[in-house]
Amino acid sequence: EAQVTQNPRYLITVTGKKLTVTCSQNMNHEYMSWYRQDPGLGLRQIYYSMNVEVTDKGDVPEGYKVSRKEKRNFPLILESPSPNQTSLYFCASSLFPGASSGANVLTFGAGSRLTVL
Amino acid sequence: AQKVTQAQTEISVVEKEDVTLDCVYETRDTTYYLFWYKQPPSGELVFLIRRNSFDEQNEISGRYSWNFQKSTSSFNFTITASQVVDSAVYFCALSERPRWDMRFGAGTRLTVKP
Repeated sequence: EAQVTQNPRYLITVTGKKLTVTCSQNMNHEYMSWYRQDPGLGLRQIYYSMNVEVTDKGDVPEGYKVSRKEKRNFPLILESPSPNQTSLYFCASSLFPGASSGANVLTFGAGSRLTVL
Repeated sequence: AQKVTQAQTEISVVEKEDVTLDCVYETRDTTYYLFWYKQPPSGELVFLIRRNSFDEQNEISGRYSWNFQKSTSSFNFTITASQVVDSAVYFCALSERPRWDMRFGAGTRLTVKP
């Protein structure tokens, strides 16, 4: 089954304790992205990656890191989590959004609910 | 700057009523894509429709229909004869050049009561 898999789905942690949220897709998609969802704000992009070793900041990158060493994986790293990073996180992937094909439909993971105390 | 505005934060209707969810977008480009996603109470994000800026034809899929009007920069979503299962948060999104990253509105929470 074509899917995006995120882990963990739920996590409660404390301020300053480094954590990683993993994301893996099995659709051979070039494009991957991380969003956070907060009430009243919709989904905001944190980081995205157009392909292996190519990553760039989205709208709210502060406090986050990413890496794209393999095409299928795109982990989100919180080096020193703070309470304002308490949120629902979504990983998504799609075919490469090139100039000829335009924007492609994003397939989302099930979401990871993170609480930072 | 907000690129996608969903002015209706919450809507509540009774089953079988028709309901329209509004979406207004902002772009200077002539080439762009618009999307609607549904987020049911279970939390996953479900793709509903993609529309490119060159196709202003309205689309109907069962009880769902979409009205795209470039003149008013709107891409509204209508559910006909709503059902309880339509209860969800609905997001409108815009994707434009050069990055084609998807910008979401704040979402509209629709509650359909039996």
